[in-house]
Amino acid sequence: AQKVTQAQTEISVVEKEDVTLDCVYETRDTTYYLFWYKQPPSGELVFLIRRNSFDEQNEISGRYSWNFQKSTSSFNFTITASQVVDSAVYFCALSELGGATNKLIFGTGTLLAVQP
Amino acid sequence: DVKVTQSSRYLVKRTGEKVFLECVQDMDHENMFWYRQDPGLGLRLIYFSYDVKMKEKGDIPEGYSVSREKKERFSLILESASTNQTSMYLCASSFRGAQETQYFGPGTRLLVL
Repeated sequence: AQKVTQAQTEISVVEKEDVTLDCVYETRDTTYYLFWYKQPPSGELVFLIRRNSFDEQNEISGRYSWNFQKSTSSFNFTITASQVVDSAVYFCALSELGGATNKLIFGTGTLLAVQP
Repeated sequence: DVKVTQSSRYLVKRTGEKVFLECVQDMDHENMFWYRQDPGLGLRLIYFSYDVKMKEKGDIPEGYSVSREKKERFSLILESASTNQTSMYLCASSFRGAQETQYFGPGTRLLVL
């Protein structure tokens, strides 16, 4: 069965600290997609990144970076020099293949609190 | 920019009422989804639709129904609201395909008294 685990329920850091959010997934598919979303206090989920299973290159976007390792089934997300505006719930998700559509399996989310 | 809108941000209903949650997207997406979000449980899929008048059950369809009469609009219906349906409801849409990104609306916080 497909599953996404975000073991960190809550993380609290002080501004300018680096922080890594963990995501571990389980799937039997050889082709799959992984996603990260951010949910600020306003409630709307904001798409951050999509990665396919054949591309293990790490990705960097400004202060954000993602480390995808198939060997450990992990897709971790690091925020460098965190800011108060990074405070949000972050969700990792796995795209389930098959059928007529792209169903997502979400982890339970990690609440990140960045203190000034 | 992708725009997904939901009819209400906050809703308060009484037990037994029929509740309609509306979602509209303006990107000509084939797929639309309804999720509910509860603390400690993440997002769980209620129903999805891959075309007009087509629907499939998600992981927790009990107590809900959906309607998709037009491509841009996907409605979630609580036939007889119950207190255990108090939750945050999120709508999403996407193009067809496993690689496609789902884009979310702002959510509706529903309180059933």
